[in-house]
Amino acid sequence: QVQLQESGPGLVNPSETLSLTCTVSGGSLSSDYWSWIRQPPGKGLEWIGYIRYSGSTNYRPSLKSRVTISLDTSKNQVSLRLSSVTAADTAVYYCARGVRAWGQGTLVTVSS
Amino acid sequence: DIVMTQTPLSLSVTPGQPASISCKSSQSLLHSDGKTYLYWYLQKPGQSPQLLIYEVSNRFSGVPDRFSGSGSGTDFTLKISRVEAEDVGVYYCLETIQYTFGQGTQLEIK
Repeated sequence: QVQLQESGPGLVNPSETLSLTCTVSGGSLSSDYWSWIRQPPGKGLEWIGYIRYSGSTNYRPSLKSRVTISLDTSKNQVSLRLSSVTAADTAVYYCARGVRAWGQGTLVTVSS
Repeated sequence: DIVMTQTPLSLSVTPGQPASISCKSSQSLLHSDGKTYLYWYLQKPGQSPQLLIYEVSNRFSGVPDRFSGSGSGTDFTLKISRVEAEDVGVYYCLETIQYTFGQGTQLEIK
């Protein structure tokens, strides 16, 4: 049973870069593609992007200029970087294995 | 851009009664490989979304058989044959051509 655990700073300053890590246990990164999704407080879900084991990525067009998703196969981790953040980027950030299994999510607040 | 429209946005159901949620896409979700990549999730209060139905009508592992999905092209439906208290939460549809979610449907128990 694959488990996913998001981690990273809970507070990020405006204009800085949000960096999160998803640690995958009980499975290999080669077994699927890996996604990041976010949910602003009290609102709906928004797909950020995904990465395949090959390294190919697919990002939400409106975020493409600010997003980087990468893999660290040695640590079995998936990373998210979102640059130049504003208050609108405040959300719970989830990582997921494809579309099937999600982590518990981590709240990131953008505020000074 | 694909727009996913769910109706209703909220639903109040008596335990044991059926419930139905519609999800309409602004364009066909039929892929060139013959599959339709439409998914249904339930987000229970305080939890992350959990997959209920994949590729329109396939129940995910461990999902009770009171949940069923149907539809084709642009019109899809999630049905709960007999609502239980544990079914409370927000239901989302998702298409994976452009990875767009519906707005969500809040289900509560009467």
